[in-house]
Amino acid sequence: QMQLEQSAAEVLKPGASVRVSCKASGYTFSNYFLHWLRQAPGLGLEWMAWIDPNSGETDFAPNFRGRVTLTSDKSINTAYMELSRLTSADTALYYCARGGAATFPLSFPVWGQGTMVGVSS
Amino acid sequence: QSALTQPASVSGSPGQSITVSCTGTNNDIGSYNYVSWYQQHPGKAPQLIIYAVKKRPSGVSVRFSGSKSGNTASLTISGLQAEDEAVYLCCSYAGTGTPYLFGSGTQVTV
Repeated sequence: QMQLEQSAAEVLKPGASVRVSCKASGYTFSNYFLHWLRQAPGLGLEWMAWIDPNSGETDFAPNFRGRVTLTSDKSINTAYMELSRLTSADTALYYCARGGAATFPLSFPVWGQGTMVGVSS
Repeated sequence: QSALTQPASVSGSPGQSITVSCTGTNNDIGSYNYVSWYQQHPGKAPQLIIYAVKKRPSGVSVRFSGSKSGNTASLTISGLQAEDEAVYLCCSYAGTGTPYLFGSGTQVTV
């Protein structure tokens, strides 16, 4: 069974950084892009970035370029998203999602359970 | 790029059919046949129910169908059931820049 297990919720102060982890199981981690999205309270989903765990290549939405760092560790099938210079506007539920590759092109067939990140002084 | 536009809510009676619309632009829905739909129950992660406009992953009920005309995609739920009550989110590939755009979600009430 394909699964993505995310790290626990965090509460941080403005200006801090947060790192969220996403551990994959049930499929070959290196074969699929891993995407990061967020959902602010009462709002829709916002795509942030992706990483190719095989090559380390990344791409970012313009709103997040320069503030998001993506890494992955193939030895433990885990991807990481670090968001810096946090503000209250970053309070949201952060998801990792596996890309669909050729089977489910340009869609997200597998999702993590979400990690709540709260930013408050 | 702006988010896609969905109605805030749609309701129907058990057994009826309903349609949820998702409107974009020539730069996203109008240019690519890569619209996907997700069902999200409260407190749960989204679940893929339609991809590439009208294809269903295995295990997804045939009561869910997708279509597209111009800059608008649609999700139809036929034979509405109580378990279909959820938020439905549309997503379109949008090329370079921000490659994936989402709608704000439609609450379906049965």
